[in-house]
Amino acid sequence: NAGVTQTPKFQVLKTGQSMTLQCAQDMNHEYMSWYRQDPGMGLRLIHYSVGAGITDQGEVPNGYNVSRSTTEDFPLRLLSAAPSQTSVYFCASNRLAGTDTQYFGPGTRLTVL
Amino acid sequence: AQSVTQLDSQVPVFEEAPVELRCNYSSSVSVYLFWYVQYPNQGLQLLLKYLSGSTLVKGINGFEAEFNKSQTSFHLRKPSVHISDTAEYFCAVVSNSGYALNFGKGTSLLVTP
Repeated sequence: NAGVTQTPKFQVLKTGQSMTLQCAQDMNHEYMSWYRQDPGMGLRLIHYSVGAGITDQGEVPNGYNVSRSTTEDFPLRLLSAAPSQTSVYFCASNRLAGTDTQYFGPGTRLTVL
Repeated sequence: AQSVTQLDSQVPVFEEAPVELRCNYSSSVSVYLFWYVQYPNQGLQLLLKYLSGSTLVKGINGFEAEFNKSQTSFHLRKPSVHISDTAEYFCAVVSNSGYALNFGKGTSLLVTP
């Protein structure tokens, strides 16, 4: 199993540009999440999904969109990038709610100029 | 809602010394507790988790943590650290009906010779 994969690993955007961060998992997990990591802030939840077709907002959803058309994929869209969105983005998946271990991807480092 | 406070942002320690990384949580419902580790430029991986039962939980790489309900704590310990333990450590909490983790801000463990 490849586990959780994320592309790209690095990205530089200009303010106002849009892009999609890709996330895929091959473990047939129902639950998938997007976090952003900023220095001194830990990981903060952006959006999550409890299954194909079902998504919900986390702690910091503004400026981001998600969709879940398949179990495997959970892309994160930046609609109009802002410097405040400079961060490292992690995708995670888990089989069950609550007790199950979350498996993390390697991250995407995004810089918005 | 659940939240986590990691009491130390940085913990410097000498090699082969013991270490304790502190974590306190708050919640009005039963929760599950996790410790994740992030090595430089990598994603997060699970160290250990407390779901129920014995309050002393053993994890990978010689780490252990003790769940203390009366003090709402879940401190991480290792009796003798190695240089390779240098990493960022995150405490996280989720309720038994929750879908995604609430992370603390992290503790940077720096092990020096």
